[in-house]
Amino acid sequence: DQQVKQNSPSLSVQEGRISILNCDYTNSMFDYFLWYKKYPAEGPTFLISISSIKDKNEDGRFTVFLNKSAKHLSLHIVPSQPGDSAVYFCAATRTTSGTYKYIFGTGTRLKVLA
Amino acid sequence: DGGITQSPKYLFRKEGQNVTLSCEQNLNHDAMYWYRQDPGQGLRLIYYSQIVNDFQKGDIAEGYSVSREKKESFPLTVTSAQKNPTAFYLCASSYRGSTIYFGEGSWLTVV
Repeated sequence: DQQVKQNSPSLSVQEGRISILNCDYTNSMFDYFLWYKKYPAEGPTFLISISSIKDKNEDGRFTVFLNKSAKHLSLHIVPSQPGDSAVYFCAATRTTSGTYKYIFGTGTRLKVLA
Repeated sequence: DGGITQSPKYLFRKEGQNVTLSCEQNLNHDAMYWYRQDPGQGLRLIYYSQIVNDFQKGDIAEGYSVSREKKESFPLTVTSAQKNPTAFYLCASSYRGSTIYFGEGSWLTVV
């Protein structure tokens, strides 16, 4: 049962344009969501997170939107830069469960074209 | 510097051999995790631990074992029972359901 899904395995965007990466989840008890960026043979790097009490969180070029009714979150990168080319993972957890278990999606490979 | 240290970066295992991957963190995090990533795949949870001397199986625990004798350390042993151990292994830690942080990863290859 894949509780966190990233249905687009890859995305290509022109430099300077907006990149939108999507993530869906099935467990309505998830209340904290995170996005990570990963280069090959390296550990994922934390980008941005959002609590379920918010619907938007912004940090520089990165904005995460959360639509709880649709169980959907998205990461917007504006403007996209060639250095943003990497695999992006979304993750979700239920902070009130006491088990601190994080579920990751399968990732979306972003390629920013110069 | 605070962070998560995994070692070794590259490890080769012979058939039928057990190997142990080390993970140490100095972030004072309560919870620690082991994930596995196969080429082109996502991150799958092997084991996780919320406190010292306690750990739980993740989604793919078969063929793996862990221990949590110290808060800072969470070593993963890949046993001979793991039939397809070649993968990239990631250790992570978090503080009580907040942001989870990762180490640099370890490559394990069966030779």
